[in-house]
Amino acid sequence: DQQVKQNSPSLSVQEGRISILNCDYTNSMFDYFLWYKKYPAEGPTFLISISSIKDKNEDGRFTVFLNKSAKHLSLHIVPSQPGDSAVYFCAADSNTGGFKTIFGAGTRLFVKA
Amino acid sequence: NAGVTQTPKFQVLKTGQSMTLQCAQDMNHNSMYWYRQDPGMGLRLIYYSASEGTTDKGEVPNGYNVSRLNKREFSLRLESAAPSQTSVYFCASSARDRPPLHFGNGTRLTVT
Repeated sequence: DQQVKQNSPSLSVQEGRISILNCDYTNSMFDYFLWYKKYPAEGPTFLISISSIKDKNEDGRFTVFLNKSAKHLSLHIVPSQPGDSAVYFCAADSNTGGFKTIFGAGTRLFVKA
Repeated sequence: NAGVTQTPKFQVLKTGQSMTLQCAQDMNHNSMYWYRQDPGMGLRLIYYSASEGTTDKGEVPNGYNVSRLNKREFSLRLESAAPSQTSVYFCASSARDRPPLHFGNGTRLTVT
């Protein structure tokens, strides 16, 4: 049973437009959420996170939105750039230790020039 | 600044062979992790070490052992490799009780 779901395996966006990556979770005990970016042949790189006490966190072109009632979070990238093409993993944690971090299966983003 | 370093990058084993994947971090982190990534799945935790001298099982520990040699190094051992262990393995580290923030570039293991 997947506790963290990324239902879109891939997403294609035109350069300069907004990319929206979605993530759903089932465990209401999760209270800390992260997004990672992964390029081929490299390890994941931490991108942005959000605590359950917030509904939005912004860092430059990246914004994460959290809807606790819907158990849904999304990552917005504005404007999208070709260098953003990568696999994006959503992850959730109960904030009681990193070893409980659960990852989604990832969404591959293609940003077309 | 090397961050998290994993060796080797690639390995091919025959069923039943053993090997050790090495991981070292230079960020003075307490927590270290071993994950595996399989197609269509997220990263799954194999083992973690919250601090030097302690290790605990994660979601998929069967067939693996670990050693936290010191604060810098955390190795993963396959005693008798099986085709089901064909995967990409990632080591990660973080400050104490924090989610994994820094990952190595992975070891791609194929077991035939």
